Amino acid sequence: GQNIDQPTEMTATEGAIVQINCTYQTSGFNGLFWYQQHAGEAPTFLSYNVLDGLEEKGRFSSFLSRSKGYSYLLLKELQMKDSASYLCAFMDSNYQLIWGAGTKLIIKP
Amino acid sequence: ETGVTQTPRHLVMGMTNKKSLKCEQHLGHNAMYWYKQSAKKPLELMFVYNFKEQTENNSVPSRFSPECPNSSHLFLHLHTLQPEDSALYLCASSQGEGHGAGEAFFGQGTRLTVV
Repeated sequence: GQNIDQPTEMTATEGAIVQINCTYQTSGFNGLFWYQQHAGEAPTFLSYNVLDGLEEKGRFSSFLSRSKGYSYLLLKELQMKDSASYLCAFMDSNYQLIWGAGTKLIIKP
Repeated sequence: ETGVTQTPRHLVMGMTNKKSLKCEQHLGHNAMYWYKQSAKKPLELMFVYNFKEQTENNSVPSRFSPECPNSSHLFLHLHTLQPEDSALYLCASSQGEGHGAGEAFFGQGTRLTVV
């Protein structure tokens, strides 16, 4: 079967670093995606990993280990505007996205 | 106007009403999607259209009826809904095939309340 899991909620401090984990199980895999969704707004694409390793994009980085079915999103130098939900999704063998329930990240001053 | 636009932003309807949600994309994408987003639940893919042809219908009840007249417009026709259908309905588009389908652009959504 297929499933994907990420923490429901996390809290971090402004200026700090936070790592949001995502684990998945699937027989067919075509990449791992991270999206950001601010409250009341549309999800927006953040990153895509299909090979093992770390992809860095400014303050945000995303890591993938296909053998472990594991990814994380790393946010550095946290800002208040980073308060949002972060959605993890993998693409299955039919090129359809299978979504996690999202991690609500709360940033405190 | 750019991006993906959805109307209306909010909708309250009775269980006997008929209404339609509209989505328009100005990105030149060939794939469009309807998703349902309920609180604390994963995004649920409802329908997929590629080049105006429906390619996915994830066991969605017939009270939801999609229509895709061209590659820029997508509708979701609603009739005799149930209170449990209350949710945020998101439209998205992408450059269709393969990995490109994963980089989706979403509209702001329609917050639907069924009373």
